[in-house]
Order: sequence, then C-alpha cells, then structure tokens
Amino acid sequence: GNSVTQMEGPVTLSEEAFLTINCTYTATGYPSLFWYVQYPGEGLQLLLKATKADDKGSNKGFEATYRKETTSFHLEKGSVQVSDSAVYFCALKEADSSYKLIFGSGTRLLVRP
Amino acid sequence: GAVVSQHPSRVICKSGTSVKIECRSLDFQATTMFWYRQFPKQSLMLMATSNEGSKATYEQGVEKDKFLINHASLTLSTLTVTSAHPEDSSFYICSAPRQGGYTEAFFGQGTRLTVV
Repeated sequence: GNSVTQMEGPVTLSEEAFLTINCTYTATGYPSLFWYVQYPGEGLQLLLKATKADDKGSNKGFEATYRKETTSFHLEKGSVQVSDSAVYFCALKEADSSYKLIFGSGTRLLVRP
Repeated sequence: GAVVSQHPSRVICKSGTSVKIECRSLDFQATTMFWYRQFPKQSLMLMATSNEGSKATYEQGVEKDKFLINHASLTLSTLTVTSAHPEDSSFYICSAPRQGGYTEAFFGQGTRLTVV
C-alpha cells in the first residue's frame, strides 16, 4: 500500500544553519505531496504542497521539490530560526477526490539560539 | 486563526468510562471530516471518515463499536471512545477539508487522551 517514510528526529540545529528533512514515498499513480508543521500545543498546519512531478512547493523560506524519479519530497530551508522549532510531517494524498492523507512519522526540529 | 476547533485538548479518564471528543469547523461547512490517531513517535493513522448525515467509514482494523462517530451537522463531528482502556491512550486529531476554489485539509489542535 501507499506509505511515507521520513527521517527520524530529533534534529537539532543552531540558528541560521541549513535544514534538510528527508521524505520518501511509495504510491501508485500520481499522488499530491505535502509538508505539515505542528508547533507546540497547536494543530497541524499546511506548510507547502506539490501536486505533480517537478513541482516545487515553497512557504516561509521552506522548499520541497516533487521528485518522481526518486519518489522523494525533501524539505529544505537555507537558514533556520528558533521559531522554526516544531514537528514536521510529510504526507501524501492519493490521486482521488477525497482528502485522506497518509502521514510519515514526523520529525522534531529543535533550533538553538 | 483556527478554522477547525477540537475539544478537549487534554482529558484523563478512568478505565471503563467513555470520552467524547468534538471537532468543529468554524467558518465553513464540512460534509466530511477525518479522525486520526497518533501513537508516540509514530505516524498519524487514519481511523475513520465521518460523513454528515450518514454512517462513518472506518479503516481496516478500527473497531466501529469502540470508536463511535457522529456527524450530526455540517460543522460538528464527534468521536466517542467507549469503555476506554489504557491502550486507548493516544493523541486523537481531526481534520476537515474546505472545498471550493482552494481545497485544503484543516486540522484541529488534537486531543491527548490518557486512560488510567
């Protein structure tokens, strides 16, 4: 079945460091791919998305490119801030009309001043 | 601001009792809502799809008599954990897609359930 695998955390970085959180997926057809972020005490928020191969999603300095050849959707940010500390979830939506999402296990990011 | 509100955020209950969790869409109507469960250090797992005015659709392995879902209005879905046991302790989170020109699934804040 469809699945999402993302790197285990926690990831600890110093402020202004470069961030990569790896995400790979297994799916039939052409799923849509998402990154969600969960700040402490809050619900999940959509960070960015990509709906077809080679699309690049971007928001708040974060980027991820839909790579069908490597079935990946890695999250990157050039310079992290303390306020980026959160749990990041990679997810896919199957190529149908519903909004059922399949999530990765989440990666906790801790950015130190 | 939040567009999906989930309540309560935390609840502790005794074994054998039932707990109701509410999920509300605040400024849009949601004919469909989704309920997820997250175990520590694991993915969010879809439990069921809540359909307004009809029966919920449960994922394989989820006991429908254990996790009762009611979607009585276009803005409210409830999940009731019946006869709770310690193994039901988990993080439960709902989501609701907002249709229209821009579709996105909005998530509630989640409910941390602890059964003692």
